[in-house]
Amino acid sequence: EDQVTQSPEALRLQEGESSSLNCSYTVSGLRGLFWYRQDPGKGPEFLFTLYSAGEEKEKERLKATLTKKESFLHITAPKPEDSATYLCAVRWDDYKLSFGAGTTVTVRA
Amino acid sequence: DGGITQSPKYLFRKEGQNVTLSCEQNLNHDAMYWYRQDPGQGLRLIYYSQIVNDFQKGDIAEGYSVSREKKESFPLTVTSAQKNPTAFYLCASSSRQNSYEQYFGPGTRLTVT
Repeated sequence: EDQVTQSPEALRLQEGESSSLNCSYTVSGLRGLFWYRQDPGKGPEFLFTLYSAGEEKEKERLKATLTKKESFLHITAPKPEDSATYLCAVRWDDYKLSFGAGTTVTVRA
Repeated sequence: DGGITQSPKYLFRKEGQNVTLSCEQNLNHDAMYWYRQDPGQGLRLIYYSQIVNDFQKGDIAEGYSVSREKKESFPLTVTSAQKNPTAFYLCASSSRQNSYEQYFGPGTRLTVT
C-alpha cells in the first residue's frame, strides 16, 4: 500500500534554531511531491512542488529537497511566524494525492 | 482575486440530518476535490471531479454525495449515512496548466451532535 510518513510529529524550536522535517514515501511512479503549510483552522497553503531526485526549491527560510525515497523541508533560522503544521503529499496520478499526517512546528521567541 | 471559497466556516447539525457544504472557485480550474481532515491523520480524499458532470469516488466516499453542474462549483452533501461526520472539510482545485498542483479553500468545520 502506498504510504507517506512524516517525522517528527511535532518539533519545538527556539527562534534561530535551524532544523529539518522528513517526508518518506513508498509510492511507486512518483509524479510530484508537494509541501504545504497549514495554520490552525485554515486550509493548506501551497509551498513547493518537487519532481525528481536532486531537485531543490527555496522560499524565504524554507528549502525543500527530494531524494528517491524521501524529501526534507529545511527551516533555516526560524521565526515565530514559521510556526504551523507542514504537510507533505505525493502525487501518483494526475488527480490523486497521498498525504502524510504532518509535522507541527512551534518556534519560540 | 482568484481563489477558492467555502461556506460556511462553521456548521452545526443534529444527527440524522443531511447537510451540504459549499465550494466555489474562480481559478478556471477543471478539477475539484473534497477532502476530510481529522486530528493526527493525513487528508483523505472523499470525491473528485475532473470535468463538469463527472465525478469519481475517493478513498472514503461512503455517506457522502457530490454534484458538478458548473465548472466553478462542487458542493458536498454529508448524509445521515455517514457514521462519523464531525470533521474539518477541505475543498481543492487544480488544472493541467499548473501541473495539477492542488490549491485549497479555507475549510468548513462540521460538528454533528
